[in-house]
Amino acid sequence: ILNVEQSPQSLHVQEGDSTNFTCSFPSSNFYALHWYRWETAKSPEALFVMTLNGDEKKKGRISATLNTKEGYSYLYIKGSQPEDSATYLCAFGGDNQGGKLIFGQGTELSVKP
Amino acid sequence: ETGVTQTPRHLVMGMTNKKSLKCEQHLGHNAMYWYKQSAKKPLELMFVYNFKEQTENNSVPSRFSPECPNSSHLFLHLHTLQPEDSALYLCASSQAAPLYEQYFGPGTRLTVT
Repeated sequence: ILNVEQSPQSLHVQEGDSTNFTCSFPSSNFYALHWYRWETAKSPEALFVMTLNGDEKKKGRISATLNTKEGYSYLYIKGSQPEDSATYLCAFGGDNQGGKLIFGQGTELSVKP
Repeated sequence: ETGVTQTPRHLVMGMTNKKSLKCEQHLGHNAMYWYKQSAKKPLELMFVYNFKEQTENNSVPSRFSPECPNSSHLFLHLHTLQPEDSALYLCASSQAAPLYEQYFGPGTRLTVT
């Protein structure tokens, strides 16, 4: 059974704080790692798709890193804003999984003004 | 209309009813997916279709029956469901999985009484 673990499960920060959370995934048969943001009452929205060990991606104040050898990815948010409040999901795609993504349980971020 | 649409958005059905969920994508993608989101659980993949062919059935009970008549439409036929099947059902589409980001619909909130 392939497991994708995210930590912490929830996070409460003040506006302006920088924060980060972790996604752990199997280190074998790696193909791709996805990050999604899921706001309440909306659909999950893709942030990044990462495929190469050492890859770093950035979108505005949000960035992500990838370590495929040890099986983890970090998502960073610099200067959190209330509109960043959402659940952040990571998903692992293996090269022997037939296109299947295995999702973590998510990190629920709440940013207070 | 663009993106991924799902109908209905909310559905209440009895255990003896038969109903269908519909998903449509206007993005020209080749792969379509059904996911189930139960409370406090990760997004769970149910079915994957690549070029209208089912490539993944994630041990889903036969009371859920998918249909993909063309690359833009995906259905989930429901019959004799159980109360524990109550959940949010999300449809998504993408180019070749798992390398490309998935685009999600707004979901159908299903309640089985």
